[in-house]
Amino acid sequence: EIVMTQSPVSLSVSPGERATLSCRASQSVGSNLAWYQQKPGQAPRLLIYGASTRATGIPARVSGSGSGMEFTLTISSLQSEDSAVYYCQHYKNWPYTFGQGTKVAIK
Amino acid sequence: EVQLVESGGGLVQPGRSLRVSCAASGFTLDDYAIHWVRQPPGKGLEWVSGISWKSGPIGYADSVKGRFTISRDNAKNSLYLQMNNLRTDDTAFYYCAKERDYDRAFDYWGQGILVTVSS
Repeated sequence: EIVMTQSPVSLSVSPGERATLSCRASQSVGSNLAWYQQKPGQAPRLLIYGASTRATGIPARVSGSGSGMEFTLTISSLQSEDSAVYYCQHYKNWPYTFGQGTKVAIK
Repeated sequence: EVQLVESGGGLVQPGRSLRVSCAASGFTLDDYAIHWVRQPPGKGLEWVSGISWKSGPIGYADSVKGRFTISRDNAKNSLYLQMNNLRTDDTAFYYCAKERDYDRAFDYWGQGILVTVSS
């Protein structure tokens, strides 16, 4: 089983500032990596697939990068609606494991 | 419009069984791989099970292998998760999720259904 580790566990960012979230895989997953956003009481929402491609309707200030074992989600110019928990997930092979999540709060 | 709607959750005693369902609309379920993902209240996401398109390979997390069974009914365009010998640590919101075309990220999710295992 591939273990996904996210850091930090939480971060607090001022509006308009940049948030950088990290995700590390215990072995290479190539570009088979997705990022999801989850707000309280809601299902997860796909943000990024293929490590760097934005899903439909996701604004350009959200970007993903990385390949192999190290990945980054960047939210530039943070807005109040970005307050949420963010999860990475690999889908190289079963089981498709998730990271433990990073909680982003707005200062 | 693509929609996934779960049903069948509720309170069940440890050791008992429950089946949750996921009704799909806006697409043909059999043309896509579909998964179950769960989330204990206040905790993170855990992949539970997946079934490939055209009823191909099936996979399970080690935590549910031998107890849970995933299946689909193409005539009803629905996905199921039969859960046997339930344990208290199976308590969670259960989501069904659809894989994208040509990529295996989950592009559509249901709203989730709560399964509570407690005596």
